[in-house]
Amino acid sequence: GAGVSQSPRYKVAKRGQDVALRCDPISGHVSLFWYQQALGQGPEFLTYFQNEAQLDKSGLPSDRFFAERPEGSVSTLKIQRTQQEDSAVYLCASSLDLGGRGYTFGSGTRLTVV
Amino acid sequence: KQEVTQIPAALSVPEGENLVLNCSFTDSAIYNLQWFRQDPGKGLTSLLLIQSSQREQTSGRLNASLDKSSGRSTLYIAASQPGDSATYLCAAQSNTGNQFYFGTGTSLTVIP
Repeated sequence: GAGVSQSPRYKVAKRGQDVALRCDPISGHVSLFWYQQALGQGPEFLTYFQNEAQLDKSGLPSDRFFAERPEGSVSTLKIQRTQQEDSAVYLCASSLDLGGRGYTFGSGTRLTVV
Repeated sequence: KQEVTQIPAALSVPEGENLVLNCSFTDSAIYNLQWFRQDPGKGLTSLLLIQSSQREQTSGRLNASLDKSSGRSTLYIAASQPGDSATYLCAAQSNTGNQFYFGTGTSLTVIP
């Protein structure tokens, strides 16, 4: 597609509910990243894929967070047993290569846990 | 861990003024540095990317400089316009080539 597509745009979850956030990167982009952006803050790195391989998941805040990219294209970020502190905008980005060429962000999914 | 700081946190200027946004980072071993723009409720748009071997990049009214040794970058916006109003984020890409470390941004308002 023309850009990085994320769905849903908005998600309200009750505390304890599981959620799944989807990212559809630009076709042909090898690298895919997930970031978490709390209100008034800059994005913070969660995890990184090169094709289907998850090469870095050091930013995932707890074992309730899980990401996958099984076929090297679409990625899903899953959060189990959501907590209020999980409320944030979740941004996905993809790039052509490791050098950051064509680094493109999606519009994000705003998650609110009530 | 890389720490990125942006000053000022917010800036309000009249239309037509030239302005400078500042970014500093603690670890000079970076792969590159990017400036992004974020509009409310939207994702990030890449404005300028400076490779670690470069000193500056220019695009239209925007000029970004990089001084790795001092851990500083500046974004210069010439002849500001109301449409420039947005949050500007500086991000340093790690030497491993994957994650970016972001500052908290400068919220810019250009008054017509």
